[in-house]
Amino acid sequence: EAGVVQSPRYKIIEKKQPVAFWCNPISGHNTLYWYLQNLGQGPELLIRYENEEAVDDSQLPKDRFSAERLKGVDSTLKIQPAELGDSAVYLCASSLGYGTGGAETQYFGPGTRLLVL
Amino acid sequence: GENVEQHPSTLSVQEGDSAVIKCTYSDSASNYFPWYKQELGKRPQLIIDIRSNVGEKKDQRIAVTLNKTAKHFSLHITETQPEDSAVYFCAALRGIKAAGNKLTFGGGTRVLVKP
Repeated sequence: EAGVVQSPRYKIIEKKQPVAFWCNPISGHNTLYWYLQNLGQGPELLIRYENEEAVDDSQLPKDRFSAERLKGVDSTLKIQPAELGDSAVYLCASSLGYGTGGAETQYFGPGTRLLVL
Repeated sequence: GENVEQHPSTLSVQEGDSAVIKCTYSDSASNYFPWYKQELGKRPQLIIDIRSNVGEKKDQRIAVTLNKTAKHFSLHITETQPEDSAVYFCAALRGIKAAGNKLTFGGGTRVLVKP
């Protein structure tokens, strides 16, 4: 079974430029998460989707970050414009839908490492 | 909200010795506690988890214990090997009907196993 897929794996951009990350969750996983991981720290949740609905986006900086999961499968996270402090690893994870047996377990993708110059 | 503290931040052990990582959590409603291993530049990988109705769980050289009263849980790795070197994260999850599963991570422990 394929795991969570993310692309690109690495991205280098200049500040004020836009950038987008893509995630394809494990087949059948209704819940999709975007996390931010700064160097030497644990992942921090940015946004969580149940199917196509964003059920928790309280930690998403909405002035510059946006996300979508239009068909309830793959998802895109966008930053516009990027700032120096956005340099980090952006992780995507997925799990079975809430209320499903084993739904607590989250499986992570390899992440996109962003460097803003 | 939930707060998870993890100690130590770094741990150096000799090959063959045991390693113990401890975490505390603040939300008594948390009911699921996974541990992830993350090698440099790679994805966090689930290595073991425990639910609040269980006090201890073991999988080969890895074990996790949970003390709900004290709100702390620990990861134990026995007979450590160089390939155990990585960053380990604990996490606590509170399932919320209105908002799904919310997972909060500790700050991580960098484990170095010296041959």
